Amino acid sequence: RKEVEQDPGPFNVPEGATVAFNCTYSNSASQSFFWYRQDCRKEPKLLMSVYSSGNEDGRFTAQLNRASQYISLLIRDSKLSDSATYLCVVIPGSGTYKYIFGTGTRLKVLA
Amino acid sequence: DARVTQTPRHKVTEMGQEVTMRCQPILGHNTVFWYRQTMMQGLELLAYFRNRAPLDDSGMPKDRFSAEMPDATLATLKIQPSEPRDSAVYFCASGLVQYTSLVRAFFGQGTRLTVV
Repeated sequence: RKEVEQDPGPFNVPEGATVAFNCTYSNSASQSFFWYRQDCRKEPKLLMSVYSSGNEDGRFTAQLNRASQYISLLIRDSKLSDSATYLCVVIPGSGTYKYIFGTGTRLKVLA
Repeated sequence: DARVTQTPRHKVTEMGQEVTMRCQPILGHNTVFWYRQTMMQGLELLAYFRNRAPLDDSGMPKDRFSAEMPDATLATLKIQPSEPRDSAVYFCASGLVQYTSLVRAFFGQGTRLTVV
């Protein structure tokens, strides 16, 4: 079982739709969680950190469920410019700073 | 804007040649990562350093890959000899560990390596 797993998609959604991605992790001691966005042939860029209490940044909401060991990303009112691959990142425990990436979920927002 | 700088951006080389990729982390960052990205495997962590010391290079094929930080402003990833299966995009990222937390990591634009 991979340490961090994501549905590769693609998720094809119309503009204005709400879409959600999940990401599961295997190490229950994992400490920190992030969502990154990667455009085609570009580097990953930090979208948002994921806090235990959940957090929101504009149209984006991130949640953490420690009991079920997953994080989620919700995008509301999706725009064409949201089309990208969304990567979840887990730091798998205390005393380590390894960023472990999921394989990413591709999102295509259609006009 | 502070950024991670990688050189070269593109490299085409023949099988068996040595390849060196360079990375200048963001000034003040104390943690540096090397990743390899392919369509099949996604982003794989090859090695990472904290305060220039290698903490984990278990993801790196030891027989041909080596990673070093000769100083705080330069990280290198070397492949010798290169093979076609090494063709990938290699990303460097840097971050700052404060107290016990990695605040965030920033990526360079990557080196696209093609070994023919």
